[in-house]
Amino acid sequence: GAVVSQHPSWVICKSGTSVKIECRSLDFQATTMFWYRQFPKQSLMLMATSNEGSKATYEQGVEKDKFLINHASLTLSTLTVTSAHPEDSSFYICSASYGTAIYEQYFGPGTRLTVT
Amino acid sequence: TQLLEQSPQFLSIQEGENLTVYCNSSSVFSSLQWYRQEPGEGPVLLVTVVTGGEVKKLKRLTFQFGDARKDSSLHITAAQPGDTGLYLCAGALYNQGGKLIFGQGTELSVKP
Repeated sequence: GAVVSQHPSWVICKSGTSVKIECRSLDFQATTMFWYRQFPKQSLMLMATSNEGSKATYEQGVEKDKFLINHASLTLSTLTVTSAHPEDSSFYICSASYGTAIYEQYFGPGTRLTVT
Repeated sequence: TQLLEQSPQFLSIQEGENLTVYCNSSSVFSSLQWYRQEPGEGPVLLVTVVTGGEVKKLKRLTFQFGDARKDSSLHITAAQPGDTGLYLCAGALYNQGGKLIFGQGTELSVKP
């Protein structure tokens, strides 16, 4: 149980274009979903927290107009990287939690974004 | 700034050796999670510790939560090449909506 999927698993896009990444909880309804960014050989950096039907809460230093997060249902959250630039190239990972143990996060497999 | 200091950051050992990874903070956590991540994949939850002083075992892995709930350790006995990966500790602060503070990670390499 507690399976989270992400789509796509990898994407290459041209500078200036936008890319949408989907995060789905497959066998549970997610109370909260989180979006992280990870650089090679480094730990996870939290970008934002989202709850279904409400606006995402962004961490300090994360541009909300560049990284658009939509949490339309209890099983789906999307991250759109707008006007992507090469420095946005990274590994993006989502996670989801549910029930009373909201501190237990279940992670998706990640999306490798490369901006050329 | 809430920090979770994880050490060592890199560890290369031979198969059969034991090792311990530490996570320390000045903050008190409501719970602490340990994850393992392989290259190109998302982290996988190994264990959650909630009670101060708690010890949990998962086969050859032993997890301990400090009495004051500010620190934790992961001990692996007789490491195997399959244990190779990035180990991450993550602490949950009170009243933060489930947000986790991650340690820097420990890159473990177990050579046969």
